Amino acid sequence: DTAVSQTPKYLVTQMGNDKSIKCEQNLGHDTMYWYKQDSKKFLKIMFSYNNKELIINETVPNRFSPKSPDKAHLNLHINSLELGDSAVYFCASSQGDRGEQYFGPGTRLTVT
Amino acid sequence: GDSVTQMEGPVTLSEEAFLTINCTYTATGYPSLFWYVQYPGEGLQLLLKATKADDKGSNKGFEATYRKETTSFHLEKGSVQVSDSAVYFCALSRTGANSKLTFGKGITLSVRP
Repeated sequence: DTAVSQTPKYLVTQMGNDKSIKCEQNLGHDTMYWYKQDSKKFLKIMFSYNNKELIINETVPNRFSPKSPDKAHLNLHINSLELGDSAVYFCASSQGDRGEQYFGPGTRLTVT
Repeated sequence: GDSVTQMEGPVTLSEEAFLTINCTYTATGYPSLFWYVQYPGEGLQLLLKATKADDKGSNKGFEATYRKETTSFHLEKGSVQVSDSAVYFCALSRTGANSKLTFGKGITLSVRP
């Protein structure tokens, strides 16, 4: 069974479009995250949710809106896509404080 | 703010060579420290962790010791294999609501037969 899953795995779209990426975890964790990995492999936190409540929002443009319908799901909606949004987006989950985070396989977003 | 610094890469080694990947951190208090590995085309996997000073994390022949005095968490393996070729990330996290992972830049390891 997949612990943290993301859909889609690849997403190619044009500038100005709106798209969503979905994430689900079946680990029973209470905290979920979105990270962005740029072309140089650098990883940076975007958002985190704890029990459906937004905890971290790291100066991400308002075009990015996370939504957590329940603690097992954290989706990422992106409006008005720009070329600079091209990256790999990783979802992760953890339980409690200091816990290790479990990552999904990533979604490679390409904006043309 | 918190930061993690990894040695510059990439690193290329022959099979069975000794591996050291340096990692130092800047943070107040006592963060938890992690090494994650990313194999080609895959997501990140936790390799090992340490949560307090002098703890040694180990897994799959890899080891790292939490050194508070030098703020370091260097990754070592005595004999690398071709299958160890991947990108390695050092990271830290804190307790509490702000338990995000702060990553180093990552280093690509290539092991040739």
